[in-house]
Amino acid sequence: GAGVSQTPSNKVTEKGKYVELRCDPISGHTALYWYRQSLGQGPEFLIYFQGTGAADDSGLPNDRFFAVRPEGSVSTLKIQRTERGDSAVYLCASSLGTPNTEAFFGQGTRLTVV
Amino acid sequence: AQSVAQPEDQVNVAEGNPLTVKCTYSVSGNPYLFWYVQYPNRGLQFLLKYITGDNLVKGSYGFEAEFNKSQTSFHLKKPSALVSDSALYFCAVRDWEYGNKLVFGAGTILRVKS
Repeated sequence: GAGVSQTPSNKVTEKGKYVELRCDPISGHTALYWYRQSLGQGPEFLIYFQGTGAADDSGLPNDRFFAVRPEGSVSTLKIQRTERGDSAVYLCASSLGTPNTEAFFGQGTRLTVV
Repeated sequence: AQSVAQPEDQVNVAEGNPLTVKCTYSVSGNPYLFWYVQYPNRGLQFLLKYITGDNLVKGSYGFEAEFNKSQTSFHLKKPSALVSDSALYFCAVRDWEYGNKLVFGAGTILRVKS
């Protein structure tokens, strides 16, 4: 596609439920990033992939959060046993994977845990 | 680990006046610096980047930024502000010696009044 696509755009879930957020990066981009943005704050790094492997997952807050990118393209962020504090906008970005290239962001998924 | 500081939560400027949005960074190695803009309910849009070379870089919509290694700063500037420039601006840094991770500042709200 022309840009980074994230689905769903909005997700409301009950506390304790499991959710999956999907990111479809720009074709040919080897690097893929997940960020979390709370209201009035900057994007908080969660994880990034280089190809299929998670090159840096130091931002995942705890073991309820997990992300995969099995074929080096689409990625899924998975959150188990959701908590109200997980409510935020989850942003995905992709880039060509070299240090001098910028990341392009999707529109985000707004997750609300009630 | 890399970090970014945006010391001003909000910058107010009159239309037609020059604007500056401040950013300072901290890295162990060489910095790669980026500015992004975010409009309400939209994803982040790339504005410009500094990789190497000329300390003054030019980007989209008439924005430019000046890299100052001694002051570890990368301030965003525009000679003449427009009301349509009103948005949330984020500075980001990548320290390639420590991977492809892109770290963002907390953001600065720019308000341009007519």
